[in-house]
Amino acid sequence: NAGVTQTPKFRVLKTGQSMTLLCAQDMNHEYMYWYRQDPGMGLRLIHYSVGEGTTAKGEVPDGYNVSRLKKQNFLLGLESAAPSQTSVYFCASSPPGGITGELFFGEGSRLTVL
Amino acid sequence: GENVEQHPSTLSVQEGDSAVIKCTYSDSASNYFPWYKQELGKGPQLIIDIRSNVGEKKDQRIAVTLNKTAKHFSLHITETQPEDSAVYFCAASDNDMRFGAGTRLTVKP
Repeated sequence: NAGVTQTPKFRVLKTGQSMTLLCAQDMNHEYMYWYRQDPGMGLRLIHYSVGEGTTAKGEVPDGYNVSRLKKQNFLLGLESAAPSQTSVYFCASSPPGGITGELFFGEGSRLTVL
Repeated sequence: GENVEQHPSTLSVQEGDSAVIKCTYSDSASNYFPWYKQELGKGPQLIIDIRSNVGEKKDQRIAVTLNKTAKHFSLHITETQPEDSAVYFCAASDNDMRFGAGTRLTVKP
């Protein structure tokens, strides 16, 4: 099993450009999450999904959109990238019980917005 | 919402010594307290967790203690090894998980 796979691993954007990060999990998990990691700030939840076709806002949702059209995939979109969105993005998944159980993380996607 | 503070931000120990990382949380409703280890270039990985009905949990060289009254919990690593070098994150959750800012642990051979 690959676990949680994120693509791309690195991306450089110019301000105003758009892009999509893809997360795929092969563990048949119901719950999926997108976090951003910034120095000195830990991991902050952007959006999450408790099942196919559902999404919800996390702690820092502004400037991002998500979609969960298939159970195994969770997409994070930036419609108009800003330098403040330079960060490392982590996708995670978990079985039902979600946020009170183990999260399985991908290896991260480093995004730089110039 | 929940607020989690983690100390120290960096910790350097000699191989074989013990390391202790401490976290405090603000929401008394939090009932799940995991610890994640993040190695360079990797995603965080759960190493141990504790729930609010337990005061201490051990797994080989790793232990976590929880003081619900004082709203703090700690990670203890004994007999540290160079492969323990990583960034460690604590978190607290009821239905809203919040992470601490992380501790960079360096174990010097």
